[in-house]
Parts: sequence; C-alpha cells; structure tokens
Amino acid sequence: NAGVMQNPRHLVRRRGQEARLRCSPMKGHSHVYWYRQLPEEGLKFMVYLQKENIIDESGMPKERFSAEFPKEGPSILRIQQVVRGDSAAYFCASTTDTEAFFGQGTRLTVV
Amino acid sequence: AQSVTQLGSHVSVSEGALVLLRCNYSSSVPPYLFWYVQYPNQGLQLLLKYTSAATLVKGINGFEAEFKKSETSFHLTKPSAHMSDAAEYFCAVTDTNFGNEKLTFGTGTRLTIIP
Repeated sequence: NAGVMQNPRHLVRRRGQEARLRCSPMKGHSHVYWYRQLPEEGLKFMVYLQKENIIDESGMPKERFSAEFPKEGPSILRIQQVVRGDSAAYFCASTTDTEAFFGQGTRLTVV
Repeated sequence: AQSVTQLGSHVSVSEGALVLLRCNYSSSVPPYLFWYVQYPNQGLQLLLKYTSAATLVKGINGFEAEFKKSETSFHLTKPSAHMSDAAEYFCAVTDTNFGNEKLTFGTGTRLTIIP
C-alpha cells in the first residue's frame, strides 16, 4: 500500500515563475490537507480539500495560491508568480477517521 | 483558538539517558493531542496520539506521553535515548477526534543524541 506521494521532491523556481506541487493521497482516502513549513518553524495549515471541493482554505494566502483536488488525479497546490518568501517545504496529508498520513514533502526553493 | 507551545527548540541528551520533550496546549474544548517525528528531509510520522481514552499513551519506538489536564501538558518521554532518536519532534492539537480536522502544530524540538 503506497503512502502519500508528493512530487516533485525538490523544485527550484525563479522569482515570477509558477510552481505546481502534486499530492496523491493514499488509496481510498478522499481528504487532503496541505501544510507549509517555513525554515525553523512548525507546519502551518493551508487548505483542506475533498474530491472536487475546497472545504477550508483559511490558511491560504489570499493571492497567488490556489489548490484543487479533481475527481480524477492528484491534488495540486499552485503558486503563481513565486517570491523568495515562498521558499519552504510543502506537505500534504491524507486522512482516515483517526489519523493523518503525511507525504515526504516538496521543498520549493525560489531563486 | 487552539495553540501548542513546545519549550526548548533544541534538546540534547546522552545516549541511554532519559528523553523529555515538553508540550503545553491551549484549547477551549477537550483536545486531541499528537506527537510526530520528522527525520531529515522526510515527512512526518505519527509517534502517538491522545484521544480522551487513557491519559498515559504509548507510542512507537519506546516513546510515551502523559496527558495532564490540570497542567495542560502532553510531554513526550523515552526512558533511554538511542542514536536513531535524533530528529525533530512536533506536538500538535486538534479539537475533534481527528479525521477531518486540521492540526495546529508547535514549532518543534530538535533532539540531538550525544554518543
């Protein structure tokens, strides 16, 4: 049973480019959470999605960030016009009723 | 609003010594509490969780934690540290029996084991 798969593991983007981060939840899981971990900090909630629905996006920056979880395929976190402050590790988690399973993260570096 | 405070961003212990990582929480409702471990360049792995059953919770790798409501604490302990325990540890809280609720994390404690 494959775990939560995130890709790419590492992503380098120049300022102003777009970053697309992908997360495939565990088989049978239909809930996905995205978290951001800035250097030397804990994880901060960004967005909670179910298939084709955004349930809670209270942690998402108001501009440049968007997320989706289509009926088919992985969840996508999209960051437009990246800035240096977007450099961080982005983790997704898929959940059962009692536990969250985290992927290995995508480490975004903006140069 | 919920919050978690982890006292000590860095903790060093000798191999074989007691590990104690501190976590205090704030919650307006009975909390559900978690400890996660993160190895370098890896995701988070669940060590243990408290969900209102027994106050002393045993987890993987010999770790345990005790929920103390009067102290609003959920400290993580291990009797004898092993070199493989070197990692970052995060305490987290949510206010429902976790499944479909976001976690609020502390800022983490980096554990170093001294040979």
